[in-house]
Amino acid sequence: IQLTQSPSFLSASVGDRVTITCRASQGISSYLAWYQQKPGKAPKLLIYAASTLQSGVPSRFSGSGSGTTFTLTISSLQPEDFATYYCQQLSSYPRGITFGQGTRLEIK
Amino acid sequence: EVQLVESGGGLVKPGGSLRLSCAASGFIFSSYTMSWVRQAPGKGLEWVSSVSGSSGYIYYADSLKGRFTISRDNAKNSLYLQMNSLRGEDTAVYYCARFDYYDNGAYNDYWGQGTLVTVSS
Repeated sequence: IQLTQSPSFLSASVGDRVTITCRASQGISSYLAWYQQKPGKAPKLLIYAASTLQSGVPSRFSGSGSGTTFTLTISSLQPEDFATYYCQQLSSYPRGITFGQGTRLEIK
Repeated sequence: EVQLVESGGGLVKPGGSLRLSCAASGFIFSSYTMSWVRQAPGKGLEWVSSVSGSSGYIYYADSLKGRFTISRDNAKNSLYLQMNSLRGEDTAVYYCARFDYYDNGAYNDYWGQGTLVTVSS
C-alpha cells in the first residue's frame, strides 16, 4: 500500500492553520498514524487510529479521515511545530507497513 | 521511563556485514512487538522488519530480499538486526521502535535515537 502526502513542502507563519493530506492507494480503514520529526531526532508520535491524539501532544494537532484520505491539521502554528511530518499505514500490522514521503513545514 | 538505545552502527564496505543492537528498558520487553525502521540521508522513513514478543512471527520489507535477520533476546531485553551483503543503498540511520496497541490496531509509540550505518568502500 502506497501513501502519498501533499504538499511535500509547506511554508507558513506562526499562528497559521495548516492541513497536510495523506492518501492511501487502497482502503486502510483508520489504521493510520502521524509523526513529527525534527532534524537529527527520532520521529515522535502525534496521532494514531487516524484521529486519536497521543498523550502529551498539544490539542492544536488533530487528525481525521478513514479509508483512503486522511488529514493532519495544526490549528495555530507554534515555532516548535516547524518540522517534517510523516503518515504511516498499519492496515496489515505487523507486516507491510509503509510511510508517506513526508511533508516539510517551514517558517515563511 | 521507556528507553530504547541502539548501537552497532558504523562504516562497512559493500558486501560486508553488521549487527545492530537495541537495548530496551522501562517496560516489559517480552510483551511488545518491536520493529526496525531506517532513514537514508535526507530521505523519508522506511519500515525494515518486525518481530513479535515471543518471536513467533517475523516480517521483513520485500526490498531486503533475505539479507537482513531480525531477532530478540527477551532475557537481555534486547533487539537485534543482522545485516549481510550490505549495499550502498543500505546507508541510513536505523531506529528501533516499539509497537503499542489499541483495539485491532497499532502504532510506534517509542523510538530510539538511531544508529548510523554507512556502506562505502
